[in-house]
Amino acid sequence: EPEVTQTPSHQVTQMGQEVILRCVPISNHLYFYWYRQILGQKVEFLVSFYNNEISEKSEIFDDQFSVERPDGSNFTLKIRSTKLEDSAMYFCASSGGGRGASYEQYFGPGTRLTVT
Amino acid sequence: QKEVEQNSGPLSVPEGAIASLNCTYSDRGSQSFFWYRQYSGKSPELIMSIYSNGDKEDGRFTAQLNKASQYVSLLIRDSQPSDSATYLCAVKRGVNTGFQKLVFGTGTRLLVSP
Repeated sequence: EPEVTQTPSHQVTQMGQEVILRCVPISNHLYFYWYRQILGQKVEFLVSFYNNEISEKSEIFDDQFSVERPDGSNFTLKIRSTKLEDSAMYFCASSGGGRGASYEQYFGPGTRLTVT
Repeated sequence: QKEVEQNSGPLSVPEGAIASLNCTYSDRGSQSFFWYRQYSGKSPELIMSIYSNGDKEDGRFTAQLNKASQYVSLLIRDSQPSDSATYLCAVKRGVNTGFQKLVFGTGTRLLVSP
C-alpha cells in the first residue's frame, strides 16, 4: 500500500540553525501539506501546496518557513533560523486530485524536531 | 470558542464494549469530516471520512454526522485493547477539493481494558 515517507525521523539542531525536513508524498497525489504537533497539543496546519505553489498557509508559517518541491517526488519544509518553540513533530501529508480522486489526507510518520 | 471540540478523556471501556467518541465544530461551512487514530508518538492514521448527514459504517467503526447540530461522532463496536489510542476529529470546508486545510480537535484518549 502506498504511503507517505519522511526523513529524518528525528532531528536535533541548535537554535538559529537551518533545518530541512523531507517528505516523499504518495506518488499519484497532487496536494501536499505540512502540519505540526507540539508535545501534548493538537495537530496544527502549517501550509498546503499544489501545482508548485502555496495554496494556503497559517499564521505559524512566517518568513522563517519555506516549502519546495525540488523534483518530481520530494517535498521539503525549511526552517531558516530555528527557535526553541519550533520543537515539535512535523507531519507531511498528501491527498489525491483529478476526477474521482479522494481528497482524504494521508500522513507520513513524522519528523521529531528538537531545538536546543 | 474552539473550532473543533472534543472531550480529552480518557474514555475507559471494557473489552468488547461500544466506545462512543464525540466531536462538535463551530464552522457551519465545514463539509468534510474525518476521524484519525493516533497512537502515542505516532502519526495520525485515517479511520473514517463522512460527508453526508447520517451514519457511515466500516467494519467495527460507525461515523455519525449531524450538520444541523454541528456534531460528528465515532462508534467503535467490540472494542479491543489495540483500539487504545487518541482519536482525532478533523474537519474541512471543502468536499471535492484538496485545497482546504484540516482543522483538528485536541483528541479523545480511549483506553480499552482487557
